[in-house]
Amino acid sequence: NAGVTQTPKFRVLKTGQSMTLLCAQDMNHEYMYWYRQDPGMGLRLIHYSVGEGTTAKGEVPDGYNVSRLKKQNFLLGLESAAPSQTSVYFCASRGDNRFDQPQHFGDGTRLSIL
Amino acid sequence: KQEVTQIPAALSVPEGENLVLNCSFTDSAIYNLQWFRQDPGKGLTSLLLIQSSQREQTSGRLNASLDKSSGRSTLYIAASQPGDSATYLCAVPLSGGYNKLIFGAGTRLAVHP
Repeated sequence: NAGVTQTPKFRVLKTGQSMTLLCAQDMNHEYMYWYRQDPGMGLRLIHYSVGEGTTAKGEVPDGYNVSRLKKQNFLLGLESAAPSQTSVYFCASRGDNRFDQPQHFGDGTRLSIL
Repeated sequence: KQEVTQIPAALSVPEGENLVLNCSFTDSAIYNLQWFRQDPGKGLTSLLLIQSSQREQTSGRLNASLDKSSGRSTLYIAASQPGDSATYLCAVPLSGGYNKLIFGAGTRLAVHP
């Protein structure tokens, strides 16, 4: 089972460039999330989606946009990359809103902004 | 505002020891708590999820407990092995539903032969 797949795995950008990170899940999950992880810190929520066509802001949404046009895909966009966005980005999915449902994570995208 | 703290930040133990990792949270109005494992350069693997109605969950050599009233959870690892070396993270839901998680910074565990 593929689970949650993130592409690309690594990327280096120059300040001001734009790019899109792709997250795909094959578990038919309703909920999807984007987090970032910085050294010495826990993961922080950027945006999330509770179903196809829906998106909402998390803790640190500034500088990012998201889209969920298809249930299985959740895209994270950086319109104008800044060095402060250098981080490891993780996507996660969850089946539904029942209390016993865990989140399943991808392997991450390591992004460096020069 | 919910805050999650994990102590210790790092731990190094010889193989075979039983050990306890700690997680504390400031807002006790949670409906679950999740423990994850993260290997270097990898994503997070869910280890245990404890619902607020439960006091503990077990999986193999792992046992997680939850005390909502004191804002604490512990992850107990029995008979530690070098393969247990990883970073362990705990997370609780933010307010507002949809299981948006807030994480602790993690405990980096090294088990040496």
